[in-house]
Amino acid sequence: AAGVIQSPRHLIKEKRETATLKCYPIPRHDTVYWYQQGPGQDPQFLISFYEKMQSDKGSIPDRFSAQQFSDYHSELNMSSLELGDSALYFCASSSGGTGSNYGYTFGSGTRLTVV
Amino acid sequence: GNSVTQMEGPVTLSEEAFLTINCTYTATGYPSLFWYVQYPGEGLQLLLKATKADDKGSNKGFEATYRKETTSFHLEKGSVQVSDSAVYFCARSYGNNRLAFGKGNQVVVIP
Repeated sequence: AAGVIQSPRHLIKEKRETATLKCYPIPRHDTVYWYQQGPGQDPQFLISFYEKMQSDKGSIPDRFSAQQFSDYHSELNMSSLELGDSALYFCASSSGGTGSNYGYTFGSGTRLTVV
Repeated sequence: GNSVTQMEGPVTLSEEAFLTINCTYTATGYPSLFWYVQYPGEGLQLLLKATKADDKGSNKGFEATYRKETTSFHLEKGSVQVSDSAVYFCARSYGNNRLAFGKGNQVVVIP
C-alpha cells in the first residue's frame, strides 16, 4: 500500500540558509501534519492542514511556513536556519481531519542537519 | 495538561523475556491512546491503538489496555525477539487533531 512520502530523506544546510521539505500524503488523504523530533526527544507538533487550509498551529517558529497544495501535497519552508533546527521532520496524513482519534500514518521523515 | 509520561531509561532484556513499558497520561477529556514504534533510522509506525476506556489494542504480539481508572496504557509483550529492538513512544490525542508523545523508551533485546 502507498505510504506517506517525504523528500528529501536527508538534507544538510548551513546556518542562515533556507530549506524546503516536501510531503506527499497517502492517496485520498486530505489532512497533513508536520512534527519535529529533536535528537533524543519526542516528536513535537508544528502545524496541520485540512483541505488545503491551515487547521492547527503548534510550536512552529515564525521563520517556518507551510502550505498544502491542490494535489494535497504539503511543503514546509524553513528560512534563516539555526543550528537548533537540526532535527528529524515528520509528515503524517489522515482522511477527514480526524486522524488523532484513530492514529495518523507517518512518513519516514527528513533528517535536517544545519552546520 | 495533555502530557504523556513513560518510565525512565532504556529497557534491556533477553530474547523471549516479558516486556512491559509503562505509560500514563493526564486525564483531560477522553483521548485516544497509541503506541508508536521507531526502528533505527526510520519513521514512526503505529503499533496499536485504543479509542475508549477498557479497549485493548493488539498487534504483532504487543498489547495495551486503556485503563481510565489508573489513566494508564502500559505496553506488554510476552516473548520479545531481537527484531523488537526499537524506540517505543506512547501517545495521546488532544486538541484539534494533535498527538502528544511521551519521551520514548529504547528497548534493546539481547540474543
